[in-house]
Amino acid sequence: DQQVKQNSPSLSVQEGRISILNCDYTNSMFDYFLWYKKYPAEGPTFLISISSIKDKNEDGRFTVFLNKSAKHLSLHIVPSQPGDSAVYFCAATPGTYKYIFGTGTRLKVLA
Amino acid sequence: EAGVTQFPSHSVIEKGQTVTLRCDPISGHDNLYWYRRVMGKEIKFLLHFVKESKQDESGMPNNRFLAERTGGTYSTLKVQPAELEDSGVYFCASSQFAGGKTQYFGPGTRLLVL
Repeated sequence: DQQVKQNSPSLSVQEGRISILNCDYTNSMFDYFLWYKKYPAEGPTFLISISSIKDKNEDGRFTVFLNKSAKHLSLHIVPSQPGDSAVYFCAATPGTYKYIFGTGTRLKVLA
Repeated sequence: EAGVTQFPSHSVIEKGQTVTLRCDPISGHDNLYWYRRVMGKEIKFLLHFVKESKQDESGMPNNRFLAERTGGTYSTLKVQPAELEDSGVYFCASSQFAGGKTQYFGPGTRLLVL
């Protein structure tokens, strides 16, 4: 049973617009959430994280929002750039070493 | 500072053969993790080392998989004998601390079992 779900396998966005990637989770014990970006033939690269005590964390063009009551988080990229084209993985952990990943969303930013 | 490195980058073997994957973590990182991604699916946790000790190997698929981290530096993951369903990308990650802190991933080893 998948505890972290990314229901959109792919997303296309025009350059300069906002990209919104979504992630849902089922385990209420998760208290730390991360987004990783992955380019082809490379390993996942840490992008941004959020603790369950917060509902928003911002880092430059990237913002992660956490809605604990809905067990939902989202990653906003504004403005989107062609170099953002990659697979984005959502991950969650109950404060331990074990990350539970979603299946990823492939973002394509069109120039 | 060098990142996590993995060797080989690709491996193609026949069913029944043995393959050994190697991971060199970031220097000074006591925590080392192995993950696997089967085509198009999620990245799944396999096991976690703290220095040379296995803390959790609950994600290891079966006893055909053996991970070691002698001396607490690099780690190896051996698959013997390999089966078709073992194909996938094997990622290694390391972190200075455990407890949900950021893990840094290597580029992965792409394993194809024919």
